[in-house]
Amino acid sequence: EAGVTQFPSHSVIEKGQTVTLRCDPISGHDNLYWYRRVMGKEIKFLLHFVKESKQDESGMPNNRFLAERTGGTYSTLKVQPAELEDSGVYFCASSHAAGLGLVEASEQYFGPGTRLTVT
Amino acid sequence: AQKVTQAQTEISVVEKEDVTLDCVYETRDTTYYLFWYKQPPSGELVFLIRRNSFDEQNEISGRYSWNFQKSTSSFNFTITASQVVDSAVYFCALSDGDLSGGSYIPTFGRGTSLIVHP
Repeated sequence: EAGVTQFPSHSVIEKGQTVTLRCDPISGHDNLYWYRRVMGKEIKFLLHFVKESKQDESGMPNNRFLAERTGGTYSTLKVQPAELEDSGVYFCASSHAAGLGLVEASEQYFGPGTRLTVT
Repeated sequence: AQKVTQAQTEISVVEKEDVTLDCVYETRDTTYYLFWYKQPPSGELVFLIRRNSFDEQNEISGRYSWNFQKSTSSFNFTITASQVVDSAVYFCALSDGDLSGGSYIPTFGRGTSLIVHP
């Protein structure tokens, strides 16, 4: 079974430019999460999709960030326009469907992250 | 509010030494889960363990062991006879509530970078 994949692995852009990060979850996983880690700090939650619907986007920093998950498969996270403080590693994770009643079914599988550098 | 503190930013040991990574958490819930993840140089977070708040039994898995103590709100991780391949960033995390509902949002610590020298 293929794991969670993220593209690109690295991105270096200038302040003011736009960047789109992509996450392909494990096939069949309804839950998809985005997280971000700024250098040396905690990994922080950004948002959670259940299929194509945004379940929780309380962690999104501001309206320069737009996440989509059309068709409930892969997801994109667009930053427009990028600012210096957006630099960090963006992780994606996925897990099985809700309502299975099993703790193990909620386990999140993480991708390798996208390292974004805004200069 | 939840909080996870990993006071050790970086630990450097020589191969075969034992090393303990500390994790202290704060939560007002009586039902919660604690996690440890490993982030090797390849970047992805690898799940190591999940422990619920009602199970204070310590766990051992090979060279890894975890000590959960509710009295001190700690969930420490020990690697016995460390190896170079153990070099990674290790994250402790906490999630309130019952995970059987299908989803959770963990609160992570800042991570501890472990460097094991040959």
